[in-house]
Amino acid sequence: EDKVVQSPLSLVVHEGDTVTLNCSYEVTNFRSLLWYKQEKKAPTFLFMLTSSGIEKKSGRLSSILDKKELFSILNITATQTGDSAVYLCAVYTNYKLSFGAGTTVTVRA
Amino acid sequence: NAGVTQTPKFQVLKTGQSMTLQCAQDMNHNSMYWYRQDPGMGLRLIYYSASEGTTDKGEVPNGYNVSRLNKREFSLRLESAAPSQTSVYFCASSEKPGTSFLRNTEAFFGQGTRLTVV
Repeated sequence: EDKVVQSPLSLVVHEGDTVTLNCSYEVTNFRSLLWYKQEKKAPTFLFMLTSSGIEKKSGRLSSILDKKELFSILNITATQTGDSAVYLCAVYTNYKLSFGAGTTVTVRA
Repeated sequence: NAGVTQTPKFQVLKTGQSMTLQCAQDMNHNSMYWYRQDPGMGLRLIYYSASEGTTDKGEVPNGYNVSRLNKREFSLRLESAAPSQTSVYFCASSEKPGTSFLRNTEAFFGQGTRLTVV
């Protein structure tokens, strides 16, 4: 059975801090890994990673994949209160998309 | 720009009642999914459909049935609702993974259905 494990489950930081979120996986027929942000409604897409070692960046967010060690990290630098959300990691296999439990990030002013 | 349309947005059912959640996408995607989301548990896959005419069980299929009516539509049916099925349900669609690495093939989500079974 495919497994996607995120850590930590939750964290609280102050504005300006840097946050690192982890996602490890054990799946059959890995295709790609995705990160989503969810704020009390449908998840919104952040990144898709298919190759090891290639960092993807969007503003203060960045992510990288290690296909040998089967994990990915999502970094958020200079956090703002608007970054407060649940961050979801998901893995595509041949036919389906499986999600982890998510990491709840709370950024305090 | 409809994307994924999911209905209804809210529903309250009595235990034992049945209902169907509807989902339609206009992006010509092959793959469609139904998830449920409970507090602290992320998105758990109920059923998925890799292409028109095929459906497969996900992690938590018990108590649900699905129909891939055509390429656009994928419905989720609760035959006899139970309080344990109180949840937020999301439908999603994507290109079939591996179809192309030249463009993103992320999943697009409907706005969700908040279902309460009393």
